[in-house]
Amino acid sequence: AQTVTQSQPEMSVQEAETVTLSCTYDTSESDYYLFWYKQPPSRQMILVIRQEAYKQQNATENRFSVNFQKAAKSFSLKISDSQLGDAAMYFCAATQGGSEKLVFGKGTKLTVNP
Amino acid sequence: NAGVTQTPKFRILKIGQSMTLQCAQDMNHNYMYWYRQDPGMGLKLIYYSVGAGITDKGEVPNGYNVSRSTTEDFPLRLELAAPSQTSVYFCASSYEVLTGATDTQYFGPGTRLTVL
Repeated sequence: AQTVTQSQPEMSVQEAETVTLSCTYDTSESDYYLFWYKQPPSRQMILVIRQEAYKQQNATENRFSVNFQKAAKSFSLKISDSQLGDAAMYFCAATQGGSEKLVFGKGTKLTVNP
Repeated sequence: NAGVTQTPKFRILKIGQSMTLQCAQDMNHNYMYWYRQDPGMGLKLIYYSVGAGITDKGEVPNGYNVSRSTTEDFPLRLELAAPSQTSVYFCASSYEVLTGATDTQYFGPGTRLTVL
């Protein structure tokens, strides 16, 4: 079965600094999609960024960017200029078996210190 | 657009009771999903649907049933509730295009269910 691994249960960063969250995945597919979702204390799942595996260019959304290493099956999230509102659980997810189904990692809790 | 809505937000059930979690979306999405999130864990897929009248099992379907009679609604039925079903339940939807490109899944606010 496909797996998504987030090796950092918790991370912390100072406000305005940069932090990188790690994610690795296991798939036998050649084409798939990768996502980072943010879950604040409200529990709402919010899309942060998505990456299509066939695109070599790393996705970027404002202060959020990814480092996608297809051969290494690595998909890390970089948050620049961290803000207090970035504090949340962050989940990495990958599509499974060429379908729309998502497999999620266990999450990384990010704390932003003022 | 309201997006994906879920009711109720909270519910406490006794062992053996049954209930239906409601999910609706107004984005004309053809794909809909049900996930559960246990404490300290990521989301796990329970059931999903690719369109009205078509449903399929996910990773953890035991103890649940679904139906999809309309594009907008995708209710999740719990029969004979057990403590192991205590969890937060999320409904999501996405739009699958004919080219096969995967669209982003949009999530509802979740339902916190406790079975005592």
